[in-house]
Amino acid sequence: DAMVIQNPRYQVTQFGKPVTLSCSQTLNHNVMYWYQQKSSQAPKLLFHYYDKDFNNEADTPDNFQSRRPNTSFCFLDIRSPGLGDAAMYLCATSRGTGSLGSPLHFGNGTRLTVT
Amino acid sequence: EDKVVQSPLSLVVHEGDTVTLNCSYEVTNFRSLLWYKQEKKAPTFLFMLTSSGIEKKSGRLSSILDKKELFSILNITATQTGDSAVYLCAVNTGFQKLVFGTGTRLLVSP
Repeated sequence: DAMVIQNPRYQVTQFGKPVTLSCSQTLNHNVMYWYQQKSSQAPKLLFHYYDKDFNNEADTPDNFQSRRPNTSFCFLDIRSPGLGDAAMYLCATSRGTGSLGSPLHFGNGTRLTVT
Repeated sequence: EDKVVQSPLSLVVHEGDTVTLNCSYEVTNFRSLLWYKQEKKAPTFLFMLTSSGIEKKSGRLSSILDKKELFSILNITATQTGDSAVYLCAVNTGFQKLVFGTGTRLLVSP
């Protein structure tokens, strides 16, 4: 089945220690997104790639970076995690076509704990 | 600032009840409204609504959009325990962006 796969499901890192979360997709979608979701809050868009074009949200901290080496993979790098960065990180994809938008397909998320 | 507000925040019902979840929005650019169901993992897509007054239906779930009053409702009839989840509403504001509400947490008790 075509899908969006995130690894790992759970990640524990130390305060200030860089961490990388990964996402892969078999849907061949143009757009890949990273969302941050804290407990009982709405998912918050960090950034997205439309093909190779990177689009950062204005309020995304510089501590968060992303790489998309090819269509299938996208990485979220947190350079110096703080306690406030503990959250569920959701990767999603969409076709990115059509003026009305297209549904996002989400991975199962990576829950990040910062100690 | 674009805003999506869902109500109620949480809801407890008994199996067999019918529930209505609400989503209102204030955005500068509206393309479509989407509903997702989130259990303890990834949100799964339910509906995408673009036109007012046209009901989308899938089994016991249905949804409708009112673009004049800027809201949508999600109805679930004959609820089952498997319907327990967080239901997220999101608005596509263009340029591949979705603005999410905080969700409604539904608990269906046996």
